[in-house]
Amino acid sequence: KQEVTQIPAALSVPEGENLVLNCSFTDSAIYNLQWFRQDPGKGLTSLLLIQSSQREQTSGRLNASLDKSSGRSTLYIAASQPGDSATYLCAVWGAEGGSEKLVFGKGTKLTVNP
Amino acid sequence: DAGITQSPRHKVTETGTPVTLRCHQTENHRYMYWYRQDPGHGLRLIHYSYGVKDTDKGEVSDGYSVSRSKTEDFLLTLESATSSQTSVYFCAIRAGFGTDTQYFGPGTRLTVL
Repeated sequence: KQEVTQIPAALSVPEGENLVLNCSFTDSAIYNLQWFRQDPGKGLTSLLLIQSSQREQTSGRLNASLDKSSGRSTLYIAASQPGDSATYLCAVWGAEGGSEKLVFGKGTKLTVNP
Repeated sequence: DAGITQSPRHKVTETGTPVTLRCHQTENHRYMYWYRQDPGHGLRLIHYSYGVKDTDKGEVSDGYSVSRSKTEDFLLTLESATSSQTSVYFCAIRAGFGTDTQYFGPGTRLTVL
């Protein structure tokens, strides 16, 4: 059974700092990996999708990497801002031709202090 | 937001009453999902659908049923609501052939007294 773990559960940093959020998964036979952001009381917003054949994706100040062999992904946020404060969730789709469901981690709650 | 709406957005009900939550999408996606989100448990899949009248259970399906009579609508029913079903419910769709990106609706906050 696929399990997704995100460490740390919470992170507090000063504004301007570069930071890395970690995601690990137990079964390396994944299809795609997706990073989401969730603001308090809101739904999930898709940030980045990394397909299994890719090693990284970039969007603005965000860069997500994927290492299937080690079962790890990282989300790098450059020059953090107070507006980046949110919970970040990682989720994986199952093996190609297999699972129809996403498996989620429990998220990392990020606070960026002015 | 992939054109996903949920109704109602907030509901308070009493134990033992039936409740139906609606998810509506405008872009003809084949797959639709219902999740619940609770502190300490994260997001958990309740049921999902892979086409009209085609549904399957997720990890927390007990006490819930679903129906999909049209591509655009996916209904979640609590036949007899219990306090343990107090939660935030999210609908999602799977979009992008070959890329499998999931997009979420805004959520429904359900309180069962």
